[in-house]
Amino acid sequence: DAGITQSPRYKITETGRQVTLMCHQTWSHSYMFWYRQDLGHGLRLIYYSAAADITDKGEVPDGYVVSRSKTENFPLTLESATRSQTSVYFCASMGLGGGYEQYFGPGTRLTVT
Amino acid sequence: SQKIEQNSEALNIQEGKTATLTCNYTNYSPAYLQWYRQDPGRGPVFLLLIRENEKEKRKERLKVTFDTTLKQSLFHITASQPADSATYLCALDAGNNRKLIWGLGTSLAVNP
Repeated sequence: DAGITQSPRYKITETGRQVTLMCHQTWSHSYMFWYRQDLGHGLRLIYYSAAADITDKGEVPDGYVVSRSKTENFPLTLESATRSQTSVYFCASMGLGGGYEQYFGPGTRLTVT
Repeated sequence: SQKIEQNSEALNIQEGKTATLTCNYTNYSPAYLQWYRQDPGRGPVFLLLIRENEKEKRKERLKVTFDTTLKQSLFHITASQPADSATYLCALDAGNNRKLIWGLGTSLAVNP
């Protein structure tokens, strides 16, 4: 299906485990973003990518790793999950045109116990 | 650093009335400002973008204004409907790198 998808939609993991959240988009958008959304903080940028093999840190990158070997995929890995990483994670993409609007996936609700 | 303020209190209005939501920012004037809608359990959905040289933008029942002197954007929904009930997010460009800075959002409830 066309669009932007995230998997899993829900995940419960234990402290210290490695977790990877997947994001896939079918528009061949150049830019992709990972956000976390928490009550009282709104959307905070974790990492973003301007193109395949180009990634950069956002506002809250500590404890997270990203890669982008293909334009359509942008996985986010929590190397050693902590309770403070319990959150809702959104992936978004944006094209290179002048629109600047971002298109969001449905989100992954992650709980770290 | 740039900060964004949106009405923190929920807005309750009667169906058919106009809803007006506010987005205030500090520091530099952004090149553009965007409004998104977010429903519970879903990702934000883009609604409108307005550039710094535009005073007003309309799309169907939606209208956005941008006052760079007041450092404020107003988002209006005319003839509001219960289906318009959602959280509305304001976002500004963070410079030349395509990143956005987000407000916390304002929750709107339209009562039938």
